[in-house]
Amino acid sequence: NAGVTQTPKFQVLKTGQSMTLQCAQDMNHNSMYWYRQDPGMGLRLIYYSASEGTTDKGEVPNGYNVSRLNKREFSLRLESAAPSQTSVYFCASLVTKSSSNYGYTFGSGTRLTVV
Amino acid sequence: GENVEQHPSTLSVQEGDSAVIKCTYSDSASNYFPWYKQELGKRPQLIIDIRSNVGEKKDQRIAVTLNKTAKHFSLHITETQPEDSAVYFCAASGGSRLNNNDMRFGAGTRLTVKP
Repeated sequence: NAGVTQTPKFQVLKTGQSMTLQCAQDMNHNSMYWYRQDPGMGLRLIYYSASEGTTDKGEVPNGYNVSRLNKREFSLRLESAAPSQTSVYFCASLVTKSSSNYGYTFGSGTRLTVV
Repeated sequence: GENVEQHPSTLSVQEGDSAVIKCTYSDSASNYFPWYKQELGKRPQLIIDIRSNVGEKKDQRIAVTLNKTAKHFSLHITETQPEDSAVYFCAASGGSRLNNNDMRFGAGTRLTVKP
């Protein structure tokens, strides 16, 4: 049981390049999320997927796209990277028990630098 | 939408002292309040949470209190140890919705425990 697995852990991109961040969870959770973390700003929601086949925008979706490939996998794509997207990205899935939420399980993060 | 403010942004205490971190939220419908601890270079991890139907919850040296009327909640760490040094995030959400897309995080508090 690996929990939430994210790849890659580090990435450096040039402005305008594209890349996909991969996330997979093996806990059979329905809901998955992508956050970015910037100094002094906490965690901000980029996109989320409430269930397989659905995705929705969060607080800061501009410049990103997502795909919920199946129940396990939720990927985040940067089509044309910009320096403002330099950040640490976390994938998370939601723990639910008896229809109540119990917080997130986070992946280990991806540190992305756009130069 | 929900807005969460967290204070202080940095906190330094002597080992053995207590530490208190406070958060306020804006949405009176919020009913789930988790706290996450993030060690340097690591992922955020859930350490304690509270729902709006209780006023206080304890787990060994950590406790969380909730004042629904004033819309604030606090994390209390007693007998602090150097390994408590980390960034702590509070969050608030509606809780009852399975997708939990309304969860908002505070900006974080960097706690340093000096030996």
